[in-house]
Amino acid sequence: AQSVTQLGSHVSVSEGALVLLRCNYSSSVPPYLFWYVQYPNQGLQLLLKYTTGATLVKGINGFEAEFKKSETSFHLTKPSAHMSDAAEYFCAVSVDNKLIFGAGTRLAVHP
Amino acid sequence: DTGVSQNPRHKITKRGQNVTFRCDPISEHNRLYWYRQTLGQGPEFLTYFQNEAQLEKSRLLSDRFSAERPKGSFSTLEIQRTEQGDSAMYLCASGGRREGASTQYFGPGTRLTVL
Repeated sequence: AQSVTQLGSHVSVSEGALVLLRCNYSSSVPPYLFWYVQYPNQGLQLLLKYTTGATLVKGINGFEAEFKKSETSFHLTKPSAHMSDAAEYFCAVSVDNKLIFGAGTRLAVHP
Repeated sequence: DTGVSQNPRHKITKRGQNVTFRCDPISEHNRLYWYRQTLGQGPEFLTYFQNEAQLEKSRLLSDRFSAERPKGSFSTLEIQRTEQGDSAMYLCASGGRREGASTQYFGPGTRLTVL
């Protein structure tokens, strides 16, 4: 069965530091992968997606993610964290037209 | 394109009451999804429509839950005889052909509290 594992339920970084949020998936078919961000009491906003083609995907707000088939990973990165990046981040894999989500990683950014 | 909208944003009800939520998808989107999210967890799939046809329902969707999309536009999710365990955020998402079969855009959610 397809699944998503997000390593680290909480990540804390300093403003200006590298952000790295980890996501590993299991899928029996070539996966479609997504990262979403959720601010408190709001819905999910699509950050970026990988479907086919280039394995390094750029998204909104300076985020990017790299699909690595050999490692079954789709880690999210941002070179320099901003205070406004503090939120919950969800990795998801598409299975039969529905999304299977990881448990989420809460990112805290401190001055 | 005004995005996916959901109403109400918040609902407080007493155990045993019925509640109904509405979702208006992005206008040209033919696919509509409902998810449930509990505190500290990722969203879990409930059900999925393509146009007016309900194509899949999760085992999470008990007999007390029913969803409709009568004209292939807006959708409603009804919960009958609510229980405290139904307290959660209910999220609606939509997707269209232009974005590809898997991409989904989410609404702001309806937070349900069952007392």
